[in-house]
Amino acid sequence: DSGVTQTPKHLITATGQRVTLRCSPRSGDLSVYWYQQSLDQGLQFLIQYYNGEERAKGNILERFSAQQFPDLHSELNLSSLELGDSALYFCASSVGPQGADTQYFGPGTRLTVL
Amino acid sequence: GQQVMQIPQYQHVQEGEDFTTYCNSSTTLSNIQWYKQRPGGHPVFLIQLVKSGEVKKQKRLTFQFGEAKKNSSLHITATQTTDVGTYFCAGKGGSYIPTFGRGTSLIVHP
Repeated sequence: DSGVTQTPKHLITATGQRVTLRCSPRSGDLSVYWYQQSLDQGLQFLIQYYNGEERAKGNILERFSAQQFPDLHSELNLSSLELGDSALYFCASSVGPQGADTQYFGPGTRLTVL
Repeated sequence: GQQVMQIPQYQHVQEGEDFTTYCNSSTTLSNIQWYKQRPGGHPVFLIQLVKSGEVKKQKRLTFQFGEAKKNSSLHITATQTTDVGTYFCAGKGGSYIPTFGRGTSLIVHP
């Protein structure tokens, strides 16, 4: 158990819908990272927040957005969902702002878009 | 941008055989991390290498960082069924965030 929690574990929805994925980092960690993992694309970095502020942006679509709240939990919002958005979404956390810090991954949310 | 290539994509071995996965970056790295993801699980941090030519061992696992800091390898001696999973390298260059390789899936046949 990494100490990072993610909800829900599974999510099934339809094209065009909007969903919110939630992540709580390990106690004491200020950074939260979001990743998308699909069979053909591997582990793709989406976005990082550090202490409430956006720190780094990766291959995140405009239909996707995220935020980190004062209690440090984070939410990833996916809208206008497409079939290709079906994937595993992982959240990871680390102590500091640097991506070189050890990242602790949560169990993931499996999103299926029908 | 920075690219990290990892080979092979899949590797089948008989239990007891050795296994190696290789990671190559298009740019010089400041450090490289290795993660393991068991089937149905999430990536778990294994180790971080920082120095040129660095070699670190964890029981049957040996990690190397190249002299030019552009490549790395993970070698497992005498594989066991518990080694099954996907091994990812993640290289950090000039950007804040490490770039993950596509991973090598290790399948161990008993």
